[in-house]
Amino acid sequence: AQSVAQPEDQVNVAEGNPLTVKCTYSVSGNPYLFWYVQYPNRGLQFLLKYITGDNLVKGSYGFEAEFNKSQTSFHLKKPSALVSDSALYFCAVRAHSGAGSYQLTFGKGTKLSVIP
Amino acid sequence: DGGITQSPKYLFRKEGQNVTLSCEQNLNHDAMYWYRQDPGQGLRLIYYSQIVNDFQKGDIAEGYSVSREKKESFPLTVTSAQKNPTAFYLCASSSPTGLTHEQYFGPGTRLTVT
Repeated sequence: AQSVAQPEDQVNVAEGNPLTVKCTYSVSGNPYLFWYVQYPNRGLQFLLKYITGDNLVKGSYGFEAEFNKSQTSFHLKKPSALVSDSALYFCAVRAHSGAGSYQLTFGKGTKLSVIP
Repeated sequence: DGGITQSPKYLFRKEGQNVTLSCEQNLNHDAMYWYRQDPGQGLRLIYYSQIVNDFQKGDIAEGYSVSREKKESFPLTVTSAQKNPTAFYLCASSSPTGLTHEQYFGPGTRLTVT
């Protein structure tokens, strides 16, 4: 079974400082990894994904994520946080193949608060 | 949220009543999904459909039913058998059904059952 852990329920960061939202995963074989953002009472918006290749993935709104196979991690980062980045962030994983490969498994989410 | 519509945004029902949540997409996507979101629990997959007239159970299908008669539509019925139906329901789609493609989400329906 595949799983995702987001160890921090909440992350607080000052505006202008770098931010990191952590994600570790467990999956059989190679993973496909995704980050989504959710604003209050809205659906999820896709930020970025890792499929293969370069371990550093760049996405929307200045976000990037680094895939680390040995640590089974896919942390989301941004060099300079904005107040408008405050939202709920979800990491998700799916396997390349197998019975569960069509299912996207989500972490429980991390609430990011950027303080002015 | 563009391309996927869910209606209504808020829905209130009495316990014991079935209720159907609408999900429509104009993205020409083959695959569609239903998730349930509860505070602190992330998203859990209820049902998914890869093609018309076919669907599979997800992790928490008990008390729910779906149909996929048209490519554009994937309605979810919350039956009276669902013990704790109050939640935020999200519909998503992706295309093609290839695993590398991200899912696009609708704006969600918040269901409250009293």
